[in-house]
Amino acid sequence: EDKVVQSPLSLVVHEGDTVTLNCSYEVTNFRSLLWYKQEKKAPTFLFMLTSSGIEKKSGRLSSILDKKELFSILNITATQTGDSAVYLCAGFYNTDKLIFGTGTRLQVFP
Amino acid sequence: EAGVAQSPRYKIIEKRQSVAFWCNPISGHATLYWYQQILGQGPKLLIQFQNNGVVDDSQLPKDRFSAERLKGVDSTLKIQPAKLEDSAVYLCASSPLSLSHGYTFGSGTRLTVV
Repeated sequence: EDKVVQSPLSLVVHEGDTVTLNCSYEVTNFRSLLWYKQEKKAPTFLFMLTSSGIEKKSGRLSSILDKKELFSILNITATQTGDSAVYLCAGFYNTDKLIFGTGTRLQVFP
Repeated sequence: EAGVAQSPRYKIIEKRQSVAFWCNPISGHATLYWYQQILGQGPKLLIQFQNNGVVDDSQLPKDRFSAERLKGVDSTLKIQPAKLEDSAVYLCASSPLSLSHGYTFGSGTRLTVV
């Protein structure tokens, strides 16, 4: 059965800390891995990773995919309170479908 | 560009009642998805449309859920009759045929069944 597993489920840090979120996947006909940030209801797109070993960066966020070991990490450096959200990882497969993990809830305190 | 529009934003109904959600995707996006997100879980695909045809509805509980996409644009998702376990956020998303940045999600409808 296809699945995406995220860890930790929850994370509490102070502003300025660096965090690493993990995502492992077992997805048939895997094409890409996506990261989303969900603050209230609508998940917003962060990264799409298709190739192994190529880091994608956007400001303080970066992500990388390892297709041999079937996992990805999302790093956030110098965290801010505005980074507080649920971070969702999703495997993209077959006919343009996503299978999501349960998410990591990040809380950043001042 | 305008985003994915959904309505209503919130809905509270009693069990066994029926409810309908509406979604207007981004103009020109051929593919439309409905996801169900139960509290504390990731979104789960219910149904995928390409233009006005169904691509995948394997996880749609067809005894109570139905969906249609009229003229390949707007879509409605209906639940009849609702159960307590249907309480969730229902997210609509759309994407162009060439997918380079994942989907764009709407703000969702939060359904509470009491």
